[in-house]
Parts: sequence; C-alpha cells; structure tokens
Amino acid sequence: AQSVTQLGSHVSVSEGALVLLRCNYSSSVPPYLFWYVQYPNQGLQLLLKYTSAATLVKGINGFEAEFKKSETSFHLTKPSAHMSDAAEYFCAVSATGANNLFFGTGTRLTVIP
Amino acid sequence: KAGVTQTPRYLIKTRGQQVTLSCSPISGHRSVSWYQQTPGQGLQFLFEYFSETQRNKGNFPGRFSGRQFSNSRSEMNVSTLELGDSALYLCASRSGTNTDTQYFGPGTRLTVL
Repeated sequence: AQSVTQLGSHVSVSEGALVLLRCNYSSSVPPYLFWYVQYPNQGLQLLLKYTSAATLVKGINGFEAEFKKSETSFHLTKPSAHMSDAAEYFCAVSATGANNLFFGTGTRLTVIP
Repeated sequence: KAGVTQTPRYLIKTRGQQVTLSCSPISGHRSVSWYQQTPGQGLQFLFEYFSETQRNKGNFPGRFSGRQFSNSRSEMNVSTLELGDSALYLCASRSGTNTDTQYFGPGTRLTVL
C-alpha cells in the first residue's frame, strides 16, 4: 500500500527566504514520487517527479526535491521564495507500474512580503 | 498542445439528481483518470480509463461511474447525488504508460444543495 504524509498544513515564509515543504511516504514497492502545485480555482500543475533515476530532482520555478530512501522522505525546497509561490502544494506517490496517485493532505504556502 | 479541458467548470445540483461531467484529454493521450477533491478527504482517486476500458478503480460507491469514448474523451456520472458529493472533480490525462506524468485539468466544481 502507498501513502503520503505532509507535515504542516500551513507554512509561512518571508519573500526571499528558504522554502521547505515536508513529505514522507510509505510504499511497499519502489515508489514514484511527485510534487504538484495548485493555485486557487485551478487544477494541479506538476512541479517535479522522481521515478528512480537521480535522487535529486529539479523541477520548474526553481523548486527541487531529494529522494531519501533511508528517511522515506521527499521534501520540496526552493532557495528563495517569491510572492508568486503562494499556493497549495501536494505530494503524491504511486507504486511502480501502478496507475493511480495517492496524495497527501496538502500544504498551503504563504509568502510574506 | 492544448491542455486537459473539463466541462462544465461549475455545476449546482440538488440532492437526488444525477450529473455528468466531461473531460477531454491532451491530444494523443489514451489514459484518463478522475479524482475527487474535498476539504475533508483531500484528493482521492476515483477511476482510470485506458482505451475505453476501466483499468483501475478507487474506493467509491457504485453511484460513481465513468466511461471513455474511442476519441479518449471521458465522462463521469454521479447518480442520486448526496450533499457529500460536493467537491472539485479533477480529470488527468497521460499517454498511457505507467511512468508517464498525469496532466490535470482545471476541474469541475460541483455543489449539491
């Protein structure tokens, strides 16, 4: 079975500060891991994904995430927050070869000017 | 390429009615998945269709059904609506292989009164 836990339903950072959104996964098989972002009244946009290649994954808009098997984590980071990063972020997992995504409960990021 | 489109964007129905939502995938994509997003339950997988066949199904009652047409367009139907069915329904498409990214549409906001 697959599941994801996102620590912190709300995170606030100052503009220009480091963004760190936490995600821990549980999977009985090698996982594929994803981060999606959702802006108000919109669907989900893929930020980045891990599919068993490089453990450090770079995505769009300056975001990156590192797959750490020993910690079962896939935390999302960005060195310097921008006002436009304010949104809700979802971590998701799927099993290798599976068709559906299991999502975390989401983290709402607020960027303070 | 045009993205995933969903119609209608907003719907208001009353309890007991039924509703049909439509999803047009990205051109060339053969797989369409449906997800329900609510504040209480988060994002939950409903089902996936590939080449007109349901390939996977989540844990939802039989009131929720879907189908896919030969042009890969998909519809989702909910019968005997309940208040708890109020949600954002998201459709996602991908080319078909399990390693592919799912691309999400903007969603249909269903309100049940």
